[in-house]
Amino acid sequence: DIQMTQSPSSLSASVGDRVTITCRASQSISSSLNWYQQKAGKAPKVLIYAASSLQSGVPSRFSGSGSGTDFTLTIATLHPEDFALYYCQQYYSPQHTFGQGTKLEMK
Amino acid sequence: QVQLVQSGAEVKKPGASVKVSCKLSGFTLTESSIQWVRQAPGKGLEWMGGFLPEEGETIYAQNFQGRVTMTEDSPTDTAYMELSSLRPEDTAVYYCAMVRGVINTWLDPWGQGTLVTVSS
Repeated sequence: DIQMTQSPSSLSASVGDRVTITCRASQSISSSLNWYQQKAGKAPKVLIYAASSLQSGVPSRFSGSGSGTDFTLTIATLHPEDFALYYCQQYYSPQHTFGQGTKLEMK
Repeated sequence: QVQLVQSGAEVKKPGASVKVSCKLSGFTLTESSIQWVRQAPGKGLEWMGGFLPEEGETIYAQNFQGRVTMTEDSPTDTAYMELSSLRPEDTAVYYCAMVRGVINTWLDPWGQGTLVTVSS
């Protein structure tokens, strides 16, 4: 299976900050990567698909980049509602896998 | 508006099976695909499998092969996930999600989740 490693595992930031979360694949996955946001007690929600495409309805402060093995999710200016868990997911292999998650907390 | 509504919480004993349902509205199963993801308490997301449009078939995660069966009932637009030989570590919230895209695929929307508790 392709292993997905996110860093950091947790991150403290303040409203207005610029935040970057990294996801690294154990082998090249081209651009076959999605990013999801999960709030406490809720189902995940897709933010970015195919590494850099913004899902309809998602604020433009979210962006994704990368290809091959290294990917980033950037939040340009943190809003209060952005404090949540974030997961990357690869679908290059038929055995899809998620990263372990990054918890974004308020400083 | 697409919505996925899952069945209610279950409590099962070790060794038993559980079958979780996921009813689709706003779309039909004949024009969409469903995958399943689970999340143990306080843990991350674990992909279980489902129909992969890019493969044209249902694929199960290796961790669940032999124990999981995913089926669909088109007349009722309901998908099912059955997990057998349950053990305490299968205690988790199980989510169904609709697959979007064909070559590039993503999951949207998701069901509300079904808590399955495995305990003697």
